[in-house]
Amino acid sequence: DIQMTQSPSSLSASVGDKVTITCQASQHISNYLNWYHQEPGKAPKLLIYDASNLETGVPSRFTGSGSGTDFTFTISSLQPEDVATYYCQQYANLPLTFGGGTKVEIK
Amino acid sequence: EVQLVESGGGLVQPGRSLRLSCAASGFTFDDYAMHWVRQAPGKGLEWVSSISWNSGRINYADSVKGRFTISRDNAKNSLYLQMNSLSAEDTALYFCAKESAYCGGDCYSAFDVWGQGRMVTVSS
Repeated sequence: DIQMTQSPSSLSASVGDKVTITCQASQHISNYLNWYHQEPGKAPKLLIYDASNLETGVPSRFTGSGSGTDFTFTISSLQPEDVATYYCQQYANLPLTFGGGTKVEIK
Repeated sequence: EVQLVESGGGLVQPGRSLRLSCAASGFTFDDYAMHWVRQAPGKGLEWVSSISWNSGRINYADSVKGRFTISRDNAKNSLYLQMNSLSAEDTALYFCAKESAYCGGDCYSAFDVWGQGRMVTVSS
């Protein structure tokens, strides 16, 4: 199974700050990597697919980059509505696997 | 509006069975693979099972293989998860999810529409 390691597990930042989350795959996954966020009490929502493509309707302050084993997710200017847990997910191999999540809070 | 609505679930004793259903609307159901993803209380997301558009490709996580069965009825725009031999480790919020529009019917990539989730609690 491909293990996805996210860091940090949690972070606290101020409104307007740039926030960066990393995701490392235990083996090469090309760009077969997606990012989701899950607001408290809600279902996850797809933000970025194929490592760097913004899902339709998602604000442009969210970006993704990377390929191979190392990936980065960035919020360019943190907004109050971005409070959520963020997950990466690989689909290079079955089983589909998620990272452990990064909880983002407002300072 | 594209929508997935789960039903079923609830409290069940260890060793018993339960069936989840997911009703789809707002999109052409048989154009897409479909998935089940679960989340144990306070934990992260875990992929459970996936099924291609015509049920020709079906896959399971090792943790549920041999106990859970995924199926779909394209005429009814519905996805199902039959769960047998349930244990406490299966206690979770179960989401049905639609395969991404960028992939389609016979591949598994991203989950672009999710249901609201249905809680399954396994306890005596």
